[in-house]
Amino acid sequence: SAVISQKPSRDICQRGTSLTIQCQVDSQVTMMFWYRQQPGQSLTLIATANQGSEATYESGFVIDKFPISRPNLTFSTLTVSNMSPEDSSIYLCSVWEDRYIQYFGAGTRLSVL
Amino acid sequence: GQQVMQIPQYQHVQEGEDFTTYCNSSTTLSNIQWYKQRPGGHPVFLIQLVKSGEVKKQKRLTFQFGEAKKNSSLHITATQTTDVGTYFCAGWPSGTYKYIFGTGTRLKVLA
Repeated sequence: SAVISQKPSRDICQRGTSLTIQCQVDSQVTMMFWYRQQPGQSLTLIATANQGSEATYESGFVIDKFPISRPNLTFSTLTVSNMSPEDSSIYLCSVWEDRYIQYFGAGTRLSVL
Repeated sequence: GQQVMQIPQYQHVQEGEDFTTYCNSSTTLSNIQWYKQRPGGHPVFLIQLVKSGEVKKQKRLTFQFGEAKKNSSLHITATQTTDVGTYFCAGWPSGTYKYIFGTGTRLKVLA
C-alpha cells in the first residue's frame, strides 16, 4: 500500500498569509489529488496534480488561491494563499493504487485567525 | 449536479447495538467505495463494490450495493467503541470521471 507523508500536520496562521503543504509518496504515481474537508463536512476535491503539467482545478477552486506544484512523480505541494478564516479546514492529499484503492495523507489541520 | 447523500447524518448507539448507514446517489454509480475516518484522522479505504446487488462482509461489517446501483448500505453488527468515526461512501457517477464523496455518517458508540 502507498505511504504518504504530509506536512505540516497542523498550523495556525494569520489572515493574509500563505501556507504551503507538502506531500511525499513512497512510490511513483502519475496523479496526486488535493482535497479540502471543512469542519464537520465531507471531502471536496480541489485539484488533480499531474507531473509535468499544470494542475486541473475543480469548479470553485482557482490557481491563484491554491497554486500546486508537482516537480516529480513522488512529491507535490499545495499552497493556500492570502488566507482568511474561511480557509480553516483539513487539507488532504491522496493517491490511487491498483486503480481503485485511494490512500490519503494524514492531513493538514489549518486554522486561520 | 450529482449528489451522494448519506443518512443518518449522526448516530449514537450503545455498545453492542447494530448500526446502519445508507448512501443514496442521484445518478447511477459505476462502483461504490466506503471509507472510515476516525476522529482526528484521515479517510481509510474499507471496500469497493462493483456489481449490482453485490454484498461483501468484513468481520462485523456488511456492505451492500443496490440493484439499481444508485444506493448502498453499510451495516455494523454489535458495535464496539473502536467503530467510532465518520463513514463515507464515494464513487464515480456512470459516464463521468468525477469522483464524489457522500455527505458522511458520524457514529458515536457509548460504552
